[in-house]
Formats: sequence, structure tokens, C-alpha cells
Amino acid sequence: AQKITQTQPGMFVQEKEAVTLDCTYDTSDPSYGLFWYKQPSSGEMIFLIYQGSYDQQNATEGRYSLNFQKARKSANLVISASQLGDSAMYFCAMRGLGGSGGSNYKLTFGKGTLLTVNP
Amino acid sequence: DTEVTQTPKHLVMGMTNKKSLKCEQHMGHRAMYWYKQKAKKPPELMFVYSYEKLSINESVPSRFSPECPNSSLLNLHLHALQPEDSALYLCASRKIGSRDRENTEAFFGQGTRLTVV
Repeated sequence: AQKITQTQPGMFVQEKEAVTLDCTYDTSDPSYGLFWYKQPSSGEMIFLIYQGSYDQQNATEGRYSLNFQKARKSANLVISASQLGDSAMYFCAMRGLGGSGGSNYKLTFGKGTLLTVNP
Repeated sequence: DTEVTQTPKHLVMGMTNKKSLKCEQHMGHRAMYWYKQKAKKPPELMFVYSYEKLSINESVPSRFSPECPNSSLLNLHLHALQPEDSALYLCASRKIGSRDRENTEAFFGQGTRLTVV
């Protein structure tokens, strides 16, 4: 079974500052992937960044970076230089890798963090 | 083309109506998903199709009937829904990796906002 925990229901940040969104996870899969998605009020889920459990280095994509600490089972998202357009719901998710079917297909989401960027 | 297109964007239906939601992608993805999302909640998985075959049904009531007629198209047929079924219905697709460690992120459509009256 997989479980994702996001303990921050809401976060506020000033424009141009950095913000960290927390995510911890639990899984019995030996290999797994961790994802962050952004969901604006329009509803579309936008993929931001991916970290594989086997990756030695933390993932980065532009202003997004993932602080992956495998021993602590955490995969926090860091957004640098926040912009007003970053205001949205952010979901951490995970999926098993390897094998076939079951957890390899299922993407499990956390409850999300609503980020508000203030001007 | 990295789009997943869902139609309609909004749907209002009565409890005795029959309607269908449509999802289309042309990325060659062979895994397709239906999620249901209530306001201020995470998406909940409903169904997964892999290679056009139903591989996961998360104990969804039979008033929701999925169909995958080909590798580009996924439908969700709705019949005799209840007001509590009102939600955002999201479709997603993903390439099935050829190697165990190959990451393939899921691409989502913009969703259909369904209201059952």
C-alpha cells in the first residue's frame, strides 16, 4: 500500500521569495516515483517535477526543485522566486515502478497544499 | 501534441439521464485513467485501462461504466447518477515504460465539471 502525507493545508509566500511544500510518503514498493502536480482553479493537473527512488541527485526543473531525503521518506517541493501565477493547489503523488499492473499503474495523491502568493 | 482533451467541459444532468464523458489523446499512450475529484480534495482513482483493457476498477458503482474503444479514446458512460456524484472528472494518460525504471508522468486533461440535479 502507498500513502502520501501533505501536512500543510495552506501556505502563503511573498512574491519573489522561495517556499517549501512538504511531502512525506510510505510504500512497500522497492522502486517508486514521486511526482508533484500543480492544479490552478481551472482544474487542469499540470506536471511539475519527478524524482525516482533510485536517483542519487535531487531533481530540478527551472524554478522547481525537489528535496529528496529517502531515509526520512520525504520529497519536499521548493519553488524559488515565487510568482503570482504560482498560486494554486499543489499535490504530491507517487507510483510504484517496475513489474506490471497494480501499484505500477496507480498514482496515489496526497491531500494537497493550497499556495497563495502575495504581491 | 501533449494534450489530453476532455469533452464536454461542463455537464448538468438529471438523475434519470444517460450521458457520456469523452477523453482523447494522440500521444500513443497505452495507459489511460479516470479520476473523480471533489472540491478541495485530491483526485480519487476510478478506473485504469492498459492496452485498451480494464486493469483497475476501484470498486466504482455500476452507474459509472468505462469504455476504451481504441488506444486514443476513453469514455465514461453515466446513468442514474446521484447528486453526490457531482464532481470534477479528470482523464489522464501515460506512456507505459519499456524499462522497469523508466519514468513516465501522467498527462491530465482539463476535466469535466459534472453537476447532477
